[in-house]
Amino acid sequence: KNQVEQSPQSLIILEGKNCTLQCNYTVSPFSNLRWYKQDTGRGPVSLTIMTFSENTKSNGRYTATLDADTKQSSLHITASQLSDSASYICVVRAGGGADGLTFGKGTHLIIQP
Amino acid sequence: DAGVIQSPRHEVTEMGQEVTLRCKPISGHDYLFWYRQTMMRGLELLIYFNNNVPIDDSGMPEDRFSAKMPNASFSTLKIQPSEPRDSAVYFCASSPIQGPRELFFGEGSRLTVL
Repeated sequence: KNQVEQSPQSLIILEGKNCTLQCNYTVSPFSNLRWYKQDTGRGPVSLTIMTFSENTKSNGRYTATLDADTKQSSLHITASQLSDSASYICVVRAGGGADGLTFGKGTHLIIQP
Repeated sequence: DAGVIQSPRHEVTEMGQEVTLRCKPISGHDYLFWYRQTMMRGLELLIYFNNNVPIDDSGMPEDRFSAKMPNASFSTLKIQPSEPRDSAVYFCASSPIQGPRELFFGEGSRLTVL
């Protein structure tokens, strides 16, 4: 069964600090992995999409890594800001189907001033 | 482009009433998805359409749920009769057929069934 596990479930850090969110998956065959940011009361918005051949991808202060061998991904946030407070959802697409998306339950991140 | 547009943003209704949620996808997108999000289960796929045709409705929880897409620019998700356990946020998303099939979500419809 395809699964995506995220850790931690929630995290509180001080503004300006860095943090790393983890995503482990058992999705096969692998097509791509996405990280979404979901602000409270809003819909998820894509941060990055990574394919099998990509190890690292950056989007501003967000850097995602992918290790396809160990089936792990991480999202690193540098110099956190209050606006980074949100849920971060890892989503893995399996190849072959029109949908084939498996969602993690997300990490709820709170940035404190 | 205005993005995926959903209405209503909030709906409070009483058990047994009919609920209709609406979605306008991004123009030119071939796929439309309906998801439900709860704290316990996260985002769950209910149904998706390709070129207005329902492809997979295996995620629809019960016969009380139905979805239609009469044309490329409009879809509805209907719950009849509604129950308190249907309380959740319902998201519509669309994606193009090209590339990695990036998902674009609407802002969601928060449903509360009393």
